[in-house]
Amino acid sequence: EAQVTQNPRYLITVTGKKLTVTCSQNMNHEYMSWYRQDPGLGLRQIYYSMNVEVTDKGDVPEGYKVSRKEKRNFPLILESPSPNQTSLYFCASGLAGSQETQYFGPGTRLLVL
Amino acid sequence: AQSVTQPDIHITVSEGASLELRCNYSYGATPYLFWYVQSPGQGLQLLLKYFSGDTLVQGIKGFEAEFKRSQSSFNLRKPSVHWSDAAEYFCAVSGGSYIPTFGRGTSLIVHP
Repeated sequence: EAQVTQNPRYLITVTGKKLTVTCSQNMNHEYMSWYRQDPGLGLRQIYYSMNVEVTDKGDVPEGYKVSRKEKRNFPLILESPSPNQTSLYFCASGLAGSQETQYFGPGTRLLVL
Repeated sequence: AQSVTQPDIHITVSEGASLELRCNYSYGATPYLFWYVQSPGQGLQLLLKYFSGDTLVQGIKGFEAEFKRSQSSFNLRKPSVHWSDAAEYFCAVSGGSYIPTFGRGTSLIVHP
């Protein structure tokens, strides 16, 4: 089944404790991205990647890191999480091109205490 | 810079009634426009998209949307709503960059 998977789905952590949220897709998509969803703000893009070893900032990259060492994986790293990073995070993938559909993972709900 | 406005935070309709969700965008050239649906506890799923050609676009689940350049709008419509359509709906615009802009979403409530 074609899908985007994220792990973990739920995470509670404390301020400053490094964490990684994994994202994997099995559709051989070049493009992958991370979003955060906050009430009243919709989805905002954090980082995106056009291919292996090619990443770029989205609208809200501060406090986040990403890497793209393999085509299928695009982990999101919070090296020193803070409470304002409490949010619902989505990974997405798609073919390269602004007109292409994005396929979203199920989301990771993060609470930073 | 591109932007998207969904003026309605919540919309309530009765099952079987027609539906129109509004979306206005701002972009200097011809945009790529999308409607996504998010069911409770789920990720987003594409309903339909417009990037060229016929301005009336058909999507999944009986939805359609019309691109009106003169009004900078891309409103989503459905002639008869089902209870399973209750969800959050997001309009998005994408231009020359790979950073799409999403609206804040419209929550659809369906009364039996």
